[in-house]
Amino acid sequence: QKEVEQNSGPLSVPEGAIASLNCTYSDRGSQSFFWYRQYSGKSPELIMFIYSNGDKEDGRFTAQLNKASQYVSLLIRDSQPSDSATYLCAVNWTGGFKTIFGAGTRLFVKA
Amino acid sequence: DAGVTQSPTHLIKTRGQQVTLRCSPISGHKSVSWYQQVLGQGPQFIFQYYEKEERGRGNFPDRFSARQFPNYSSELNVNALLLGDSALYLCASSLRLTDTGELFFGEGSRLTVL
Repeated sequence: QKEVEQNSGPLSVPEGAIASLNCTYSDRGSQSFFWYRQYSGKSPELIMFIYSNGDKEDGRFTAQLNKASQYVSLLIRDSQPSDSATYLCAVNWTGGFKTIFGAGTRLFVKA
Repeated sequence: DAGVTQSPTHLIKTRGQQVTLRCSPISGHKSVSWYQQVLGQGPQFIFQYYEKEERGRGNFPDRFSARQFPNYSSELNVNALLLGDSALYLCASSLRLTDTGELFFGEGSRLTVL
């Protein structure tokens, strides 16, 4: 059974701080890793993907992947109140036809 | 360009009824996936269709079925509705079969079963 685990939070950070969101997954055959943002009452929106070990940066967002530890994280620098949302970690397997989502971490950025 | 469109956006049914949800993918996207999201949880995979064929199925009972049409739009059907089927049903499209992780979601159909 492939699983994706996230701390449900809520994670509360002050405006301007770095928010660190973490995710672990159960299957070493995992190939692709994604972070989706979901605002309350809205559908998920893809914000980052990472395929290789290491860091990938896109604006204020950095995704980090460590396949040996089966760990993926998302850092949000200079957090803004508009970043307040649920962040979903998702994993896709090579040749797989489904993407498994974690339960999400709720982030609150306090102004 | 239009994104993924779903209909209806909200609906209320009673136990035992049947429901059909519809989805139109982004133009040029050939893969459609369906997810169920219960409040407080992440989306749970139901089906993936590519080129009108079912390519993947999640751990859902046979009451759930789907199909994809030649224009790549899709329908999700749920028969004999149970209270536990109340959820947000999300349709997502992607460009190719192997891009199933890079999903573009519609706004969802919120189903309430009374």
